Parts: sequence; C-alpha cells; structure tokens
Amino acid sequence: DTEVTQTPKHLVMGMTNKKSLKCEQHMGHRAMYWYKQKAKKPPELMFVYSYEKLSINESVPSRFSPECPNSSLLNLHLHALQPEDSALYLCASSQGTKGKNEQYFGPGTRLTVT
Amino acid sequence: GENVEQHPSTLSVQEGDSAVIKCTYSDSASNYFPWYKQELGKGPQLIIDIRSNVGEKKDQRIAVTLNKTAKHFSLHITETQPEDSAVYFCAARKYNFNKFYFGSGTKLNVKP
Repeated sequence: DTEVTQTPKHLVMGMTNKKSLKCEQHMGHRAMYWYKQKAKKPPELMFVYSYEKLSINESVPSRFSPECPNSSLLNLHLHALQPEDSALYLCASSQGTKGKNEQYFGPGTRLTVT
Repeated sequence: GENVEQHPSTLSVQEGDSAVIKCTYSDSASNYFPWYKQELGKGPQLIIDIRSNVGEKKDQRIAVTLNKTAKHFSLHITETQPEDSAVYFCAARKYNFNKFYFGSGTKLNVKP
C-alpha cells in the first residue's frame, strides 16, 4: 500500500481565518513533505520533516506553520493567508535518506483564500 | 543546487504512437530519477524511476533511460492510449538528501 491521505479535499478560508491541513501515511516512512503547487507548475517544496524533526524549510512565510505530531502524521497550520496562497497543497512521504528513494504523494488539498 | 530541465512542455500524439519526454540535470551527485504522472485535480503518481547504477528500466508500456555521462534521462511511452493524457514531471534527487528537484512538466495529449 502506497497511500498518503489528505484532509480536507477542498478548503475556502478568509484572510483572517485559522485552519489546518492534515496528512497521514502508514507506510512506515520517516520523511514527510509539504509542497505547494500552482496551476501548470511543478510542485514547489515548502517543508521536509525527517524522523519527526524539521530538516528543510524553503524560506516559507511564517503564516504557514508545519507540525509533525508523530511519524505517521503531518499538519500544516494556516493563519492570515493572502489570496496568492491559493493553490493545491500536496503532502508526500518517503522512507528517508537511509531507505528507498520512492516518494509518494497524497491527492492534495485545494485551498482558496478569499 | 540541482537544476532539472524538461522538454517539450506540450506533446500531442495520435493514439498508438510513441511519446518521448526528455530531462537534463546539472548535479552529477544526483543518483535517483523518478517520473510522475499527474491527472487533472489529482496528486502526482509515481509511475517509474531509475537509479544511477542502471541505464534502462521498463514496466509494460513505459520505460526510462539514463545517460549519466550526458546527464540526461528520458521517459518513453509506447502504444499510447487516451488515458495516458496527463502532465508528466521528471525529478532528480541526490544520495542521502531529502529533496527532490522537479522539471517544469510536459502536458501529453493523446488523440483518439
């Protein structure tokens, strides 16, 4: 099973709202990723967690706050977003640097900021 | 850092024809090269990958070739079908590093 699940599928939020995106995998993967994808563009890396520690932050604005409560779960907390943050947010996982390379993506959360 | 370039950006083929998408990379330390297929409204799906110790890998109608010397790798789809229509992304990753560098994508249209 190579399934990564994400909730919700769609989210509409105002610029003053606080919301969270959730991601889960049960493949025993130790690396988890958040990507942002705009239409007709490749996924753009935001954060990487390795063994539940934040290992890469691609200079993402602080209005995006990641959290990795355990090895299976990854959250992205959203606060005071801007309309230009509207995008498809993808979660992915892989075994990590010490394991196989394959990275698997979830279906994404389509976020609209009004 | 790594730079991955992908061509063409769009590709139209007739059903049954072959399709080839090419990527080049800049960092000789990259050693893992996956290909993803992304259908409209879905997340990218890993369809095939290749490691730097292998020159070619096949899985039914799809194959990937790697030329380490020239730093390029290609996706080959034979006997294309309308359901192959999607956006395809190549990527590269360095050993022991949890970051994937993506190409810009190729929109493949298979005409029935």
